[in-house]
Amino acid sequence: GAVVSQHPSRVICKSGTSVKIECRSLDFQATTMFWYRQFPKQSLMLMATSNEGSKATYEQGVEKDKFLINHASLTLSTLTVTSAHPEDSSFYICSALRGGPSATQYFGPGTRLTVL
Amino acid sequence: GQNIDQPTEMTATEGAIVQINCTYQTSGFNGLFWYQQHAGEAPTFLSYNVLDGLEEKGRFSSFLSRSKGYSYLLLKELQMKDSASYLCAVRDQTGANNLFFGTGTRLTVIP
Repeated sequence: GAVVSQHPSRVICKSGTSVKIECRSLDFQATTMFWYRQFPKQSLMLMATSNEGSKATYEQGVEKDKFLINHASLTLSTLTVTSAHPEDSSFYICSALRGGPSATQYFGPGTRLTVL
Repeated sequence: GQNIDQPTEMTATEGAIVQINCTYQTSGFNGLFWYQQHAGEAPTFLSYNVLDGLEEKGRFSSFLSRSKGYSYLLLKELQMKDSASYLCAVRDQTGANNLFFGTGTRLTVIP
Protein backbone atom coordinates (compact mmCIF):
# COMPACT_ATOMS: atom_id res chain seq x y z
CA GLY A 1 0.00 0.00 0.00
CA ALA A 2 0.90 3.65 0.28
CA VAL A 3 0.39 4.93 3.79
CA VAL A 4 0.79 8.52 4.84
CA SER A 5 0.40 9.57 8.45
CA GLN A 6 -0.19 13.01 9.87
CA HIS A 7 0.19 14.24 13.41
CA PRO A 8 -1.59 15.63 15.29
CA SER A 9 -5.04 14.83 13.98
CA ARG A 10 -6.59 17.66 15.90
CA VAL A 11 -5.13 20.70 17.66
CA ILE A 12 -6.60 23.66 19.47
CA CYS A 13 -4.33 26.57 20.23
CA LYS A 14 -4.45 30.15 21.37
CA SER A 15 -4.05 33.04 18.99
CA GLY A 16 -0.43 34.04 18.58
CA THR A 17 1.06 30.61 19.20
CA SER A 18 2.78 28.36 16.67
CA VAL A 19 1.66 24.89 15.68
CA LYS A 20 3.73 22.19 13.98
CA ILE A 21 2.12 19.48 11.88
CA GLU A 22 4.07 16.41 10.77
CA CYS A 23 3.50 14.40 7.63
CA ARG A 24 5.18 11.03 7.17
CA SER A 25 5.20 8.55 4.33
CA LEU A 26 5.36 5.22 6.14
CA ASP A 27 6.08 2.66 3.43
CA PHE A 28 7.69 4.61 0.62
CA GLN A 29 10.14 7.43 0.12
CA ALA A 30 8.79 10.74 -1.07
CA THR A 31 11.06 13.42 -2.43
CA THR A 32 7.99 15.55 -2.96
CA MET A 33 5.16 16.21 -0.55
CA PHE A 34 2.33 18.69 -0.78
CA TRP A 35 0.43 20.73 1.79
CA TYR A 36 -3.22 21.62 1.25
CA ARG A 37 -5.80 23.56 3.16
CA GLN A 38 -9.49 22.81 3.00
CA PHE A 39 -12.28 25.00 4.35
CA PRO A 40 -15.70 23.51 5.09
CA LYS A 41 -17.54 22.29 2.01
CA GLN A 42 -14.77 23.50 -0.26
CA SER A 43 -12.17 21.64 -2.24
CA LEU A 44 -8.51 21.30 -1.50
CA MET A 45 -6.34 24.35 -2.08
CA LEU A 46 -2.67 23.70 -2.63
CA MET A 47 -0.53 25.77 -0.29
CA ALA A 48 2.96 24.62 -1.12
CA THR A 49 5.10 21.90 -2.59
CA SER A 50 7.67 20.49 -0.22
CA ASN A 51 10.89 19.22 -1.78
CA GLU A 52 13.32 17.08 0.17
CA GLY A 53 16.59 18.91 0.72
CA SER A 54 15.50 22.19 -0.84
CA LYS A 55 13.17 25.09 -0.26
CA ALA A 56 9.44 24.67 -0.56
CA THR A 57 7.56 26.21 -3.45
CA TYR A 58 4.61 28.29 -2.29
CA GLU A 59 1.45 29.01 -4.20
CA GLN A 60 0.47 32.58 -4.89
CA GLY A 61 -1.05 34.23 -1.86
CA VAL A 62 0.46 31.87 0.69
CA GLU A 63 2.84 33.59 3.09
CA LYS A 64 6.06 31.61 3.31
CA ASP A 65 7.05 33.28 6.57
CA LYS A 66 3.79 32.30 8.19
CA PHE A 67 3.62 28.73 6.92
CA LEU A 68 7.08 27.29 7.40
CA ILE A 69 7.78 24.04 5.61
CA ASN A 70 10.69 21.74 6.25
CA HIS A 71 11.33 18.51 4.34
CA ALA A 72 14.36 17.16 6.13
CA SER A 73 14.15 13.54 5.04
CA LEU A 74 12.57 11.38 2.36
CA THR A 75 9.78 10.39 4.72
CA LEU A 76 9.03 13.52 6.72
CA SER A 77 7.75 16.99 5.98
CA THR A 78 6.58 19.47 8.59
CA LEU A 79 4.34 22.50 8.35
CA THR A 80 4.56 25.11 11.09
CA VAL A 81 1.82 27.68 11.32
CA THR A 82 3.48 30.61 13.04
CA SER A 83 1.62 33.21 15.09
CA ALA A 84 -1.67 31.50 14.38
CA HIS A 85 -4.87 33.52 14.18
CA PRO A 86 -8.51 32.41 14.13
CA GLU A 87 -8.65 32.81 10.34
CA ASP A 88 -5.98 30.09 10.10
CA SER A 89 -8.46 27.59 11.51
CA SER A 90 -8.90 24.96 8.83
CA PHE A 91 -8.34 21.36 7.83
CA TYR A 92 -4.72 20.90 6.75
CA ILE A 93 -3.92 17.87 4.62
CA CYS A 94 -0.58 16.65 3.38
CA SER A 95 0.12 14.28 0.54
CA ALA A 96 3.19 12.36 -0.50
CA LEU A 97 4.05 11.69 -4.11
CA ARG A 98 4.76 8.09 -4.91
CA GLY A 99 6.79 7.73 -8.08
CA GLY A 100 6.10 5.45 -10.99
CA PRO A 101 4.06 5.72 -14.20
CA SER A 102 1.11 7.35 -12.53
CA ALA A 103 3.06 9.30 -9.88
CA THR A 104 0.10 9.35 -7.55
CA GLN A 105 -0.37 11.55 -4.51
CA TYR A 106 -1.41 9.71 -1.36
CA PHE A 107 -2.99 11.77 1.35
CA GLY A 108 -2.55 11.83 5.08
CA PRO A 109 -5.60 11.78 7.36
CA GLY A 110 -5.52 15.54 7.88
CA THR A 111 -5.13 17.88 10.85
CA ARG A 112 -8.03 19.95 12.12
CA LEU A 113 -6.59 23.21 13.49
CA THR A 114 -8.72 25.46 15.64
CA VAL A 115 -7.26 28.77 16.75
CA LEU A 116 -9.09 30.47 19.60
CA GLY B 1 -5.09 29.14 -15.51
CA GLN B 2 -6.85 25.98 -14.57
CA ASN B 3 -10.59 25.41 -14.54
CA ILE B 4 -12.16 22.18 -13.38
CA ASP B 5 -15.93 21.78 -13.17
CA GLN B 6 -18.03 19.16 -11.45
CA PRO B 7 -21.66 19.13 -10.32
CA THR B 8 -21.93 20.24 -6.72
CA GLU B 9 -24.33 17.59 -5.51
CA MET B 10 -25.93 14.37 -6.71
CA THR B 11 -28.33 11.88 -5.17
CA ALA B 12 -28.73 8.26 -6.19
CA THR B 13 -30.43 5.14 -4.92
CA GLU B 14 -28.73 2.18 -3.27
CA GLY B 15 -27.98 -0.51 -5.86
CA ALA B 16 -28.17 1.89 -8.78
CA ILE B 17 -25.48 3.30 -11.09
CA VAL B 18 -24.33 6.91 -10.97
CA GLN B 19 -22.06 8.88 -13.29
CA ILE B 20 -20.17 11.91 -12.01
CA ASN B 21 -18.88 14.18 -14.75
CA CYS B 22 -15.83 16.41 -14.76
CA THR B 23 -14.76 18.89 -17.41
CA TYR B 24 -11.45 20.64 -17.37
CA GLN B 25 -9.51 23.40 -19.08
CA THR B 26 -5.84 23.40 -18.19
CA SER B 27 -2.69 24.84 -19.70
CA GLY B 28 -1.12 21.39 -19.73
CA PHE B 29 -2.27 17.86 -19.08
CA ASN B 30 -0.46 14.96 -17.54
CA GLY B 31 -3.21 12.82 -16.07
CA LEU B 32 -6.55 12.99 -14.33
CA PHE B 33 -7.28 11.56 -10.91
CA TRP B 34 -10.42 10.76 -8.99
CA TYR B 35 -10.43 10.76 -5.21
CA GLN B 36 -13.11 9.89 -2.68
CA GLN B 37 -13.39 11.97 0.45
CA HIS B 38 -15.66 11.23 3.38
CA ALA B 39 -16.59 14.16 5.58
CA GLY B 40 -13.76 15.17 7.89
CA GLU B 41 -11.34 12.72 6.34
CA ALA B 42 -8.55 12.97 3.80
CA PRO B 43 -9.09 11.98 0.18
CA THR B 44 -8.40 8.42 -0.88
CA PHE B 45 -7.17 7.57 -4.35
CA LEU B 46 -9.69 5.91 -6.66
CA SER B 47 -8.41 6.06 -10.22
CA TYR B 48 -5.97 7.53 -12.69
CA ASN B 49 -6.40 8.18 -16.42
CA VAL B 50 -3.79 9.58 -18.75
CA LEU B 51 -4.88 8.00 -22.04
CA ASP B 52 -8.33 8.14 -23.61
CA GLY B 53 -10.70 5.39 -22.67
CA LEU B 54 -12.21 3.55 -19.77
CA GLU B 55 -10.37 2.23 -16.74
CA GLU B 56 -12.33 -0.28 -14.71
CA LYS B 57 -11.59 -1.17 -11.12
CA GLY B 58 -14.27 -3.23 -9.45
CA ARG B 59 -17.44 -1.20 -8.91
CA PHE B 60 -15.66 1.98 -9.99
CA SER B 61 -14.76 2.97 -13.55
CA SER B 62 -13.27 6.17 -14.88
CA PHE B 63 -13.35 7.49 -18.42
CA LEU B 64 -11.22 10.13 -20.13
CA SER B 65 -11.48 12.06 -23.37
CA ARG B 66 -8.53 14.41 -23.70
CA SER B 67 -9.82 16.06 -26.88
CA LYS B 68 -13.04 17.01 -25.08
CA GLY B 69 -11.43 17.84 -21.74
CA TYR B 70 -13.89 15.46 -20.14
CA SER B 71 -13.90 12.64 -17.65
CA TYR B 72 -16.48 10.74 -15.69
CA LEU B 73 -16.46 8.45 -12.70
CA LEU B 74 -18.98 5.62 -12.83
CA LEU B 75 -20.09 3.92 -9.64
CA LYS B 76 -22.04 0.69 -9.95
CA GLU B 77 -24.11 -1.23 -7.40
CA LEU B 78 -24.18 1.77 -5.12
CA GLN B 79 -23.83 1.18 -1.42
CA MET B 80 -24.70 3.51 1.44
CA LYS B 81 -21.00 3.82 2.29
CA ASP B 82 -20.44 5.39 -1.14
CA SER B 83 -21.99 8.60 0.19
CA ALA B 84 -19.02 10.96 0.04
CA SER B 85 -17.48 13.75 -1.99
CA TYR B 86 -15.78 12.76 -5.20
CA LEU B 87 -12.94 14.99 -6.30
CA CYS B 88 -11.70 15.31 -9.85
CA ALA B 89 -8.08 16.47 -10.06
CA VAL B 90 -5.89 17.25 -13.06
CA ARG B 91 -2.12 17.13 -13.11
CA ASP B 92 -0.61 20.07 -14.89
CA GLN B 93 2.16 18.94 -17.21
CA THR B 94 4.15 22.07 -16.52
CA GLY B 95 4.01 21.67 -12.76
CA ALA B 96 6.00 19.46 -10.48
CA ASN B 97 3.19 16.90 -10.31
CA ASN B 98 0.88 19.54 -8.88
CA LEU B 99 -2.77 18.56 -8.79
CA PHE B 100 -5.56 21.02 -9.42
CA PHE B 101 -8.79 19.99 -7.77
CA GLY B 102 -12.36 20.61 -8.72
CA THR B 103 -14.77 21.63 -5.99
CA GLY B 104 -15.93 18.05 -5.62
CA THR B 105 -19.30 16.38 -6.08
CA ARG B 106 -21.17 15.47 -2.91
CA LEU B 107 -22.94 12.18 -3.56
CA THR B 108 -25.76 11.06 -1.29
CA VAL B 109 -26.91 7.47 -1.58
CA ILE B 110 -30.45 6.89 -0.37
CA PRO B 111 -32.15 3.59 0.47
